[in-house]
Amino acid sequence: NAGVMQNPRHLVRRRGQEARLRCSPMKGHSHVYWYRQLPEEGLKFMVYLQKENIIDESGMPKERFSAEFPKEGPSILRIQQVVRGDSAAYFCASSPGALSYEQYFGPGTRLTVT
Amino acid sequence: KQEVTQIPAALSVPEGENLVLNCSFTDSAIYNLQWFRQDPGKGLTSLLLIQSSQREQTSGRLNASLDKSSGRSTLYIAASQPGDSATYLCASRGNNDMRFGAGTRLTVKP
Repeated sequence: NAGVMQNPRHLVRRRGQEARLRCSPMKGHSHVYWYRQLPEEGLKFMVYLQKENIIDESGMPKERFSAEFPKEGPSILRIQQVVRGDSAAYFCASSPGALSYEQYFGPGTRLTVT
Repeated sequence: KQEVTQIPAALSVPEGENLVLNCSFTDSAIYNLQWFRQDPGKGLTSLLLIQSSQREQTSGRLNASLDKSSGRSTLYIAASQPGDSATYLCASRGNNDMRFGAGTRLTVKP
């Protein structure tokens, strides 16, 4: 059973471009979480999704950021019109259920905005 | 709102020492608490997961304890090795998310 996969592992974008980060959860996992780790800071929760539903997006910036987890395919974190402050490592985690189930983390996507 | 704090922020020890990393959380209504290791520029490696009904978990030289009533968890590392050098993160599991501490940066000197 492959682990959580994220791609790309490294992404460079110029200011104003769009960034699309993909997360494929572990097989059988229908719960996906996105976290962001800014340089020299801890991980912060962004959004929690189940298939076709956003459950909690309380950690998402109100503008430019969106996330989806379609019925088929990976979860996508989309950042429009990127700015230098978006440079960070973005981690995805998945779990087979909510609450007490363990979250399994992917290797992360490191976004650099130039 | 859950706040997770880790003390110390950094720790340097000679090889072979036993050490304790501390994690505290403000809201005891957690489902579980998890310890991770993160190497520079890398992802998270899960070390130990303690469910809310448990008091401790052990894996090799690592032992993690959980005291929900006092809002504390500790990670004990026995006979530390240079390969243990990394940042150690604790995270509490709430309804929809995990709240992470800022981490303890551990250096084990040969």
